[in-house]
Amino acid sequence: AQTVTQSQPEMSVQEAETVTLSCTYDTSENNYYLFWYKQPPSRQMILVIRQEAYKQQNATENRFSVNFQKAAKSFSLKISDSQLGDTAMYFCAFMRYSGGGADGLTFGKGTHLIIQP
Amino acid sequence: NAGVMQNPRHLVRRRGQEARLRCSPMKGHSHVYWYRQLPEEGLKFMVYLQKENIIDESGMPKERFSAEFPKEGPSILRIQQVVRGDSAAYFCASSQQGLNTEAFFGQGTRLTVV
Repeated sequence: AQTVTQSQPEMSVQEAETVTLSCTYDTSENNYYLFWYKQPPSRQMILVIRQEAYKQQNATENRFSVNFQKAAKSFSLKISDSQLGDTAMYFCAFMRYSGGGADGLTFGKGTHLIIQP
Repeated sequence: NAGVMQNPRHLVRRRGQEARLRCSPMKGHSHVYWYRQLPEEGLKFMVYLQKENIIDESGMPKERFSAEFPKEGPSILRIQQVVRGDSAAYFCASSQQGLNTEAFFGQGTRLTVV
């Protein structure tokens, strides 16, 4: 079984600052994917960024980037130039991948990120 | 191309009643996943279905809960004889088969048991 741990229940930064959300996971699998999802007050789950475990290069999506350390089983999310609209719950998630298709996601408990004006 | 559609958005049931939650996956998606989110918690995997098949129901309570994804129509998560502890947000996600592993989420159904 996989576990995902987010050790920061809440974080608060000023607008335009850079913030890093931490995530660690535990698995014996070799083929897997890692995700960061954003859940604003609307409750919609929005995919922020995805990382394939077999790729050494860290994924980047505009202001969002990850620091993927496979050996340490760490997957942190960096948000640069933070904006008020980034205020939301952020969930780290793990998915084992088998050749026949994708399994369900295992989520961390989330980090509530607050961007202050 | 409409996203994942869940209905109803809000559902209120009295203890002992049945709750039926519906999920229409994105067009072309044949994999459906159901998750439950308790207050202040992350989403917990419940069940993974493909058309007419349950692939993995390891996260589903053994009693009162069932799920189906028929050949035609939406996926249904059914909770019989609801109790207050069933109150939660229930999310459905869908994905394509094969290498496209991105799961798209619906907006969820908030079930309140009174």
